Amino acid sequence: GQSLEQPSEVTAVEGAIVQINCTYQTSGFYGLSWYQQHDGGAPTFLSYNALDGLEETGRFSSFLSRSDSYGYLLLQELQMKDSASYFCAVRSFTSGTYKYIFGTGTRLKVLA
Amino acid sequence: EAQVTQNPRYLITVTGKKLTVTCSQNMNHEYMSWYRQDPGLGLRQIYYSMNVEVTDKGDVPEGYKVSRKEKRNFPLILESPSPNQTSLYFCASSYIQRDKDEQFFGPGTRLTVL
Repeated sequence: GQSLEQPSEVTAVEGAIVQINCTYQTSGFYGLSWYQQHDGGAPTFLSYNALDGLEETGRFSSFLSRSDSYGYLLLQELQMKDSASYFCAVRSFTSGTYKYIFGTGTRLKVLA
Repeated sequence: EAQVTQNPRYLITVTGKKLTVTCSQNMNHEYMSWYRQDPGLGLRQIYYSMNVEVTDKGDVPEGYKVSRKEKRNFPLILESPSPNQTSLYFCASSYIQRDKDEQFFGPGTRLTVL
């Protein structure tokens, strides 16, 4: 079957750096995305990796290793507003179509 | 303003009463998708559409129908809702690109089936 694994919860203090890991088992892997979701809100896109390596967008970076079926989201200079749930999502390509599988989410708590 | 809209935002209904949740996007996106979100299960793809008149099943399609008659609209239909379809539903849209993959999500529809 297809699955993604990420930690259920992570806690860090303001100003710190936190890494949220995601391992996946999917067929037809095409790329890995990360989304942020605040309580009561909709998911919003953070980053996408189709190739191995690091993608940097401001305080957020995302890494992918296709050979290890592994990726992570790195959040630097944590702020209180970063307290949210973070989802990794695999885009797969099979039979000419794209499908998405999301992880179950990591709840990040940022402490003052 | 570029956005995905869903209606209604909240709905309480009874078992067996057909309902439709509308979804519309104004970004000319080819790809549209419906997800349900349940505690501890993340987002699960119900149905998706690569373009007009092209729809495919996601991971949890049972009990749902969709249509894509126009590029901007992708309604979700529950012909005979049951309590296990009580959930938070999100519509999303995106361009189909090889090197980018940003889905834009609607605000969500919280559905309760009694």
